[in-house]
Amino acid sequence: GAVVSQHPSRVICKSGTSVKIECRSLDFQATTMFWYRQFPKQSLMLMATSNEGSKATYEQGVEKDKFLINHASLTLSTLTVTSAHPEDSSFYICSAYTLTVANTQYFGPGTRLTVL
Amino acid sequence: DAKTTQPPSMDCAEGRAANLPCNHSTISGNEYVYWYRQIHSQGPQYIIHGLKNNETNEMASLIITEDRKSSTLILPHATLRDTAVYYCIVRVAGRGSGYALNFGKGTSLLVTP
Repeated sequence: GAVVSQHPSRVICKSGTSVKIECRSLDFQATTMFWYRQFPKQSLMLMATSNEGSKATYEQGVEKDKFLINHASLTLSTLTVTSAHPEDSSFYICSAYTLTVANTQYFGPGTRLTVL
Repeated sequence: DAKTTQPPSMDCAEGRAANLPCNHSTISGNEYVYWYRQIHSQGPQYIIHGLKNNETNEMASLIITEDRKSSTLILPHATLRDTAVYYCIVRVAGRGSGYALNFGKGTSLLVTP
């Protein structure tokens, strides 16, 4: 149990375009999902916390108008990187919280974004 | 949440036990110790967690000292697929839905043939 999927696993796009990343909890409902970003040889950094049916809470320094988060249901959250630029190239990872399995977060496999 | 200290890297021979230490000397009574690992280019994977008793599951064992100021994650028979960065995270019990996990730098474990 506690499986989280992400789609796509890898995406390459041109500068200025928008990219949507989906995060799904497959076998549990998640009232809260988190979005992290990881640059090469660095640890995970939290970008935002997403609660179902409400606006996301963004960490300091993360532009909410650039990284749009929608948590429309208890099993789906999406991250849209708008007007992507090469500096947005990174590994994006989502996690979903569940009380029922170890009271902790379970992570998706990540999405590698490359902006040309 | 309490801060943790881990060695930056460790080596282990395949088939041997890997013992990964974590220091959390400022841990509070209601804080749990969680362990995750991240294999290269994958999302973190939950391993195990505990409060004060030793815990064991199909992946690993967690030994917490009596004063709870440190712990050790034990992979009893390490394989090459256990090569990963291991993160020790301390978080308050009940801090579930609203709080993200604070990943430090972790320990990079290399399992060698």
